[in-house]
Formats: sequence, structure tokens, C-alpha cells
Amino acid sequence: AQRVTQPEKLLSVFKGAPVELKCNYSYSGSPELFWYVQYSRQRLQLLLRHISRESIKGFTADLNKGETSFHLKKPFAQEEDSAMYYCAPEGANAGGTSYGKLTFGQGTILTVHP
Amino acid sequence: NAGVTQTPKFQVLKTGQSMTLQCAQDMNHEYMSWYRQDPGMGLRLIHYSVGAGITDQGEVPNGYNVSRSTTEDFPLRLLSAAPSQTSVYFCASSLDGGNTIYFGEGSWLTVV
Repeated sequence: AQRVTQPEKLLSVFKGAPVELKCNYSYSGSPELFWYVQYSRQRLQLLLRHISRESIKGFTADLNKGETSFHLKKPFAQEEDSAMYYCAPEGANAGGTSYGKLTFGQGTILTVHP
Repeated sequence: NAGVTQTPKFQVLKTGQSMTLQCAQDMNHEYMSWYRQDPGMGLRLIHYSVGAGITDQGEVPNGYNVSRSTTEDFPLRLLSAAPSQTSVYFCASSLDGGNTIYFGEGSWLTVV
């Protein structure tokens, strides 16, 4: 079965501190991996995707296939980073064609204190 | 930019009533889906569609029905509302698989 685990429901850090949001997945094949974010009173939106190898708002995420993890990291947290974060693999068939549907973790609420 | 539009934003239903949550997108996306968001459960996929006329079940389809007669619209029908269906519902769309998924603002549904 496909499973995504975000072990921390709540994560609090102070401004300027490093932050790491953990994500472990159990998925058949080679899923595409995403992080989505939901800021207060805003709709859920893409933060970053593994295939792009990009850094968005200072966040990066490294895929560790051996550990099946896709942790989200930022070296210096800012107050505006306070939000709900979801790790979400996207399944694909054996031929690599994505199903276009995400499996979401339970989410981590990040609070960055001043 | 309308993007993904959901209506209504808030709804209170009595147990046993039926209703339809509307979802429309103006981005010519082939893939559309419905999720529900519950505390401690994350978002769970209810139904999805990879194109007009094609729908399939997600993780929690029971009690819900969908159809996709046009590319733009993907309504979600609650056949006989139950308190367990109290949740926040999100519609989403993407151009195709592997691409960014865009979400609606959510519909807050309470079943009493």
C-alpha cells in the first residue's frame, strides 16, 4: 500500500533557526515527489517538486531513495514560513506515466516564532 | 485568473440530504480530482478524472459520486449526507500527470 508519513504534527522554531520537516514514504515504483504548502487563509499551493531540483523560498528537499525519505529543509526559518506543509508523492504506472493523483501525508504545522 | 473555482464555500446539511459541490477550472486541464481534508488525516483522494468522460475512485469514494461531462467541470455529489462527511473539500486540477496540481479554495461542509 502507498503510505506517506510526516511524523511531526507540530513543529515550532525561532526565527533564524534551521528547520527540517520530515517525510517518509512507502510507494511502489518511482513516485514523483512534491511538497505543498497552505498558508493561513490561502489555498493549498505547490512549494517544490523533486524533479525540478529547485529551491523555493529558501527551502530544499533531498530525496533519499535508500531511506525512502524526502525531508524539507531551510537553513534560516522566517516568520512568513509559518504554515501547514504536506509531503505528497504522485504515483505512476510501470511505464512511468503519472496517474496525476497525489497521496498526502498528514501534514506538519510549522510555527516560526519571532 | 480564475483558476480552480469551487462553490459553495460553506454549507450546512441535514443527515440524509443530498447536494452537489461544484468545481470548474478554466486552464484546459485534463486531470481533475476531489480531496477531503480532516484533522490528523491530511488530504485524502475521493475521486479523480483524467479527462472528459473518464472518472475513477480514489481512497475514500463511498458516499460520493462524480461525473465529467466537460473538461471544465467536475462536480462532486453527496448522495445521502452523513455526519462523517463533515469536512473541508478541495477540488484540484492539473494539465496532466506529473505536473503542478492547482487547488480550489475549499468548501466547508457540515452535516448535522
